[in-house]
Amino acid sequence: SQTIHQWPATLVQPVGSPLSLECTVEGTSNPNLYWYRQAAGRGLQLLFYSVGIGQISSEVPQNLSASRPQDRQFILSSKKLLLSDSGFYLCAWIIAGYSYNEQFFGPGTRLTVL
Amino acid sequence: GENVEQHPSTLSVQEGDSAVIKCTYSDSASNYFPWYKQELGKRPQLIIDIRSNVGEKKDQRIAVTLNKTAKHFSLHITETQPEDSAVYFCAASFTGGGNKLTFGTGTQLKVEL
Repeated sequence: SQTIHQWPATLVQPVGSPLSLECTVEGTSNPNLYWYRQAAGRGLQLLFYSVGIGQISSEVPQNLSASRPQDRQFILSSKKLLLSDSGFYLCAWIIAGYSYNEQFFGPGTRLTVL
Repeated sequence: GENVEQHPSTLSVQEGDSAVIKCTYSDSASNYFPWYKQELGKRPQLIIDIRSNVGEKKDQRIAVTLNKTAKHFSLHITETQPEDSAVYFCAASFTGGGNKLTFGTGTQLKVEL
């Protein structure tokens, strides 16, 4: 079966520290992958998406970056965190070649920057 | 790019009543419209979706309607129950271009006993 994992589940980091969040999927090949951020009580903001290994599209210019080193692995990084980076980070995926665009979310990482 | 507006931002209904949430979109190329339910602290869950070649879709107590001419779509929940209380998000996308979803701002639905 197809599943999506994210870790860590929660993270507390000081301002200026680096960040690395990981998302992995199982049970499929060549999925489209997405990173979203949700600030407290707010909507979903698309940060990055990837349609294949090494292919990253950025939606919002900021101090975050993404990488896709393997087909089923998507990583969100930052060199120096800001207070405004706090939020709920969600990875999502679409099964490649599936015409219905159904996007499913991982369990998320709750990041608090102090 | 696509812009999705969602109303109302909060909705309070009595248990057993119906709830309606409305969204409008701007890009006529959009052809896929999902709805997500997000409970507090949890991930959004896809509850129903509709494609542009269909005007209405039902799944038990939930239905979605789409008016392509007017560029709006709505979520209808009948016989609401306390467990329907959550934040609901509409979204729009088109096939291609990474199949990106543009989300509405969300509706906090509260079902009161």
